[in-house]
Amino acid sequence: AQSVTQLGSHVSVSEGALVLLRCNYSSSVPPYLFWYVQYPNQGLQLLLKYTSAATLVKGINGFEAEFKKSETSFHLTKPSAHMSDAAEYFCAVTDATNTGNQFYFGTGTSLTVIP
Amino acid sequence: DTGVSQDPRHKITKRGQNVTFRCDPISEHNRLYWYRQTLGQGPEFLTYFQNEAQLEKSRLLSNRFSAERPKGSFSTLEIQRTEQGDSAMYLCASSLESRTYEQYFGPGTRLTVT
Repeated sequence: AQSVTQLGSHVSVSEGALVLLRCNYSSSVPPYLFWYVQYPNQGLQLLLKYTSAATLVKGINGFEAEFKKSETSFHLTKPSAHMSDAAEYFCAVTDATNTGNQFYFGTGTSLTVIP
Repeated sequence: DTGVSQDPRHKITKRGQNVTFRCDPISEHNRLYWYRQTLGQGPEFLTYFQNEAQLEKSRLLSNRFSAERPKGSFSTLEIQRTEQGDSAMYLCASSLESRTYEQYFGPGTRLTVT
């Protein structure tokens, strides 16, 4: 079975401050990990993905995440928050042995950026 | 490439009515997925197709839910005898069979059951 846990359902940062959104996963096989962003009343947009290549993954809009197997973590960071980063962020896991590759999502973290 | 589209974007229905949602995947994608997202939660997998074959449907929430993809292109998700607990966002995603970990999501259909 696979699952992800996102610590902190709400995170607030000041504009220009570091963004850190936490994700821990559980998987009995090597995982594929993803971060998606969702703006109000919209679908999910892929920010970045880890598929067993480089452990430090760079995505769109200045975000990056580091896969740490020893910590079963895949935290999302951005050095300097922008007002447009305010949204809901979801971490998701799947794996190569999952023939359907259905994703298992966390409960999400709502990011507020304070001007 | 116009991305994954879903229709309608919003649906309000009365309890007990049937509703049907449509998803048009990215044209070359042969995998299509349906997810449900309730308020304050992440998306929850429901079912998926490879071409016209429905390869996983055990996660559909009840026998009131059914999905089709008759010609391997667009798909429909039907909910019969809707209940208030069915109120949610229904998301569709598509991918290539060779890159199933790259799922592209549509904007979703928000269902409100009154």
